[in-house]
Amino acid sequence: GEDVEQSLFLSVREGDSSVINCTYTDSSSTYLYWYKQEPGAGLQLLTYIFSNMDMKQDQRLTVLLNKKDKHLSLRIADTQTGDSAIYFCAARDTGKLIFGQGTTLQVKP
Amino acid sequence: NAGVTQTPKFQVLKTGQSMTLQCAQDMNHEYMSWYRQDPGMGLRLIHYSVGAGITDQGEVPNGYNVSRSTTEDFPLRLLSAAPSQTSVYFCASKRDGDTGELFFGEGSRLTVL
Repeated sequence: GEDVEQSLFLSVREGDSSVINCTYTDSSSTYLYWYKQEPGAGLQLLTYIFSNMDMKQDQRLTVLLNKKDKHLSLRIADTQTGDSAIYFCAARDTGKLIFGQGTTLQVKP
Repeated sequence: NAGVTQTPKFQVLKTGQSMTLQCAQDMNHEYMSWYRQDPGMGLRLIHYSVGAGITDQGEVPNGYNVSRSTTEDFPLRLLSAAPSQTSVYFCASKRDGDTGELFFGEGSRLTVL
């Protein structure tokens, strides 16, 4: 089955760009997702990318997909303190979603 | 719309006790699932259901039972609680097809002593 891996922690300064990386194993995954979890809350979908795309931009968010290397990244431009959260990468595996370990983003003022 | 509702939000159990975590959604979603969240482990899929009367195992099903008698409800049963089941549990649902966005409940924090 699908396996999704992320680094656990990233610290940036306010105003810098953040890049969160993710690798997955199943090249047949049709959709790849980024979810955000704020303290004490459930996860909410930030953005997603279809497997036939290389890049998707949505305001401050840029998703890059390298299918050859099975690598997904999320770039947050002009990172704000309100972006501090846990970010989860997820891949679709025959209808169900498999999540990575989550990357805690710490934004320092 | 209430979305996905989980109860209880907090629960403390003793080893060996049984309990049921409730999950209900009012979005007419066919797909429902249970995850557990543990530090450093991310979210791991316990069980999922693609429709009423159909359930299947996820990555970590041992020690948990589910049933799906209606589209709206998907309870998770712990048969004999163990300290290793101390975790935060999330229920999530989605429509069939399209992007497959999951809608999450607020979570249920379970402590097993």
